Amino acid sequence: QVQLVQSGAEVKKPGASVKVSCKASGYTFTRYYIHWVRRAPGQGLEWMGIIDPSGDNMSSAQKFQGRVTMTRDTSTSTVYMELSSLRSDDTAVYFCARGQSTSGTYYSGTFDYWGQGTLVTVSS
Amino acid sequence: SYVLTQPPAVSVAPGETARITCEGNNIGDRPVHWCQQKPGQAPVLVIYYDGDRPSGIPERFSGSNSGNTATLTINRVEAGDEADYYCQVWARINGRPEAAFGGGTKLTVL
Repeated sequence: QVQLVQSGAEVKKPGASVKVSCKASGYTFTRYYIHWVRRAPGQGLEWMGIIDPSGDNMSSAQKFQGRVTMTRDTSTSTVYMELSSLRSDDTAVYFCARGQSTSGTYYSGTFDYWGQGTLVTVSS
Repeated sequence: SYVLTQPPAVSVAPGETARITCEGNNIGDRPVHWCQQKPGQAPVLVIYYDGDRPSGIPERFSGSNSGNTATLTINRVEAGDEADYYCQVWARINGRPEAAFGGGTKLTVL
């Protein structure tokens, strides 16, 4: 069965960076886009960006451009999301989610499987 | 940006029908997807491409999309349906595709 398993909770200071991992199993890793979505306390879901595991290309939401980097390791079927220059309002639960097949465009369809979420707390 | 507007809260009694709306400019021209999120859990896809149901989602869940409003309908609501519900579309922001979510609707089962 398809599973996305994320790394554990993190506590960071303002200005630091955090790197969250998402290990995929149960399907061919390079055949589906992986997206990152976050939910801050009291807020709704917010899309951050995508990575194409077949080619390591990424695209991020305008809000996060210059602060977010997404990479992948095909040998372990793992994608990583690194967010830099952390602020207190980056405190949130971060989710990875599987998107459409990489044979098509990433900006269609939706997210059919989700990781369990990783709580990132930014506090001095 | 493309704004999706949902009511913050909807309340229904068990066995009744819940309707959760998602308003956006000509939203009927683009596919709408819906997910459900319960406290402390990851979101779960409940409706995709306006009205299709993933396997495992009860037939009580249905969706429609026309004009400026998409609607998620839950028939014969059960206590286990209590959750936050989000609509989602793709939109272009400064020419680049981005996923847009509605603000979410908290469904309370009375």
